[in-house]
Amino acid sequence: ELKVEQNPLFLSMQEGKNYTIYCNYSTTSDRLYWYRQDPGKSLESLFVLLSNGAVKQEGRLMASLDTKARLSTLHITAAVHDLSATYFCAVGNSGGGADGLTFGKGTHLIIQP
Amino acid sequence: NAGVTQTPKFRVLKTGQSMTLLCAQDMNHEYMYWYRQDPGMGLRLIHYSVGEGTTAKGEVPDGYNVSRLKKQNFLLGLESAAPSQTSVYFCASRYIQDHTEAFFGQGTRLTVV
Repeated sequence: ELKVEQNPLFLSMQEGKNYTIYCNYSTTSDRLYWYRQDPGKSLESLFVLLSNGAVKQEGRLMASLDTKARLSTLHITAAVHDLSATYFCAVGNSGGGADGLTFGKGTHLIIQP
Repeated sequence: NAGVTQTPKFRVLKTGQSMTLLCAQDMNHEYMYWYRQDPGMGLRLIHYSVGEGTTAKGEVPDGYNVSRLKKQNFLLGLESAAPSQTSVYFCASRYIQDHTEAFFGQGTRLTVV
């Protein structure tokens, strides 16, 4: 059974600081996703990581994937208040992704001025 | 382009009542999914469909039924609602091509009293 663990589950940080969210998963998968969710809203896709060593960046967010360690990281650089949200990593349940995703519990991120 | 639309957005049910949640997508996606989101639990897969007329169980299927009579619609039914089914329900869809991301609807907040 695939398990996905995120840490930390809650993070309060100041604007301008850097921090990293970690996502570990228990079995081999070829797809890892990062989503953002604002309170009361839907999930917004941030990154799709498909291979070992994959790195993707969008603005102040950078995601990476190490399939050998079964670890993905989401790095926040010089945080700003607008990045406050809950961030989820999700791992494909099997090859091709037809049978959906297993999600971590989410990291609730608060960025204070 | 509406994307993924869920109906209704909010609903309160009494224990034992039945209801159907509708998910409609206009992106010609083959795959469709129903997830539930509970506080501190992330999202968990209820049922999914890989094409018109086909459905399969996810991680937490008990108490739910689904149907995919048309490619663009995926219905989630609760035959006899229980308080444990109080949750936010998200529908998602994606292309059949490998490694594409899933697009999520706005969610349905269901309370069973």
